[in-house]
Amino acid sequence: AQSVTQLDSQVPVFEEAPVELRCNYSSSVSVYLFWYVQYPNQGLQLLLKYLSGSTLVKGINGFEAEFNKSQTSFHLRKPSVHISDTAEYFCAVRNNFNKFYFGSGTKLNVKP
Amino acid sequence: NAGVTQTPKFRVLKTGQSMTLLCAQDMNHEYMYWYRQDPGMGLRLIHYSVGEGTTAKGEVPDGYNVSRLKKQNFLLGLESAAPSQTSVYFCASSPKETQYFGPGTRLLVL
Repeated sequence: AQSVTQLDSQVPVFEEAPVELRCNYSSSVSVYLFWYVQYPNQGLQLLLKYLSGSTLVKGINGFEAEFNKSQTSFHLRKPSVHISDTAEYFCAVRNNFNKFYFGSGTKLNVKP
Repeated sequence: NAGVTQTPKFRVLKTGQSMTLLCAQDMNHEYMYWYRQDPGMGLRLIHYSVGEGTTAKGEVPDGYNVSRLKKQNFLLGLESAAPSQTSVYFCASSPKETQYFGPGTRLLVL
């Protein structure tokens, strides 16, 4: 089975600072990678996804992620965060049978 | 489109009681999933379905049953609720590549 590791359970950052949320996955022949965001008391929303092609993927709300096959990573970045980015972020990987595996989540806390 | 809806939004059960959570999607997706979310553990797959009339076990299926009699609905049942099943339950549907999530059901088992 696939596995996803999000090493940072919480990331505090000041408003307008850059942020990187780390995600590593277990190696597989085919890799489909996702980042989701969950605001308090809501469901998960798709931020971005990597299926194939360019390793730099741009998503909503100014987020982007880079697929690095050699390091089996898919880190999420934003150059300047806002208070409204405070949420929990989940990295996920999908296998060829359309099963998804999620990391344990990273809580991003943006401080004024 | 309503997307993915879940009923109920919140429920309190006593140990040993049974209940059914309903997930409905109006996007004609083949795949549907039930997850539970617990603090610090991310989302764990309970059961999933790859099409009408099919179901399969996920990572944590014990204590749960599911049915997919109609393509648009995926039901999650708890036959005899236990305090360990206190959680937030999310349903998702997928055409193939991406999952679309419902708003969740908070379940408290006393």
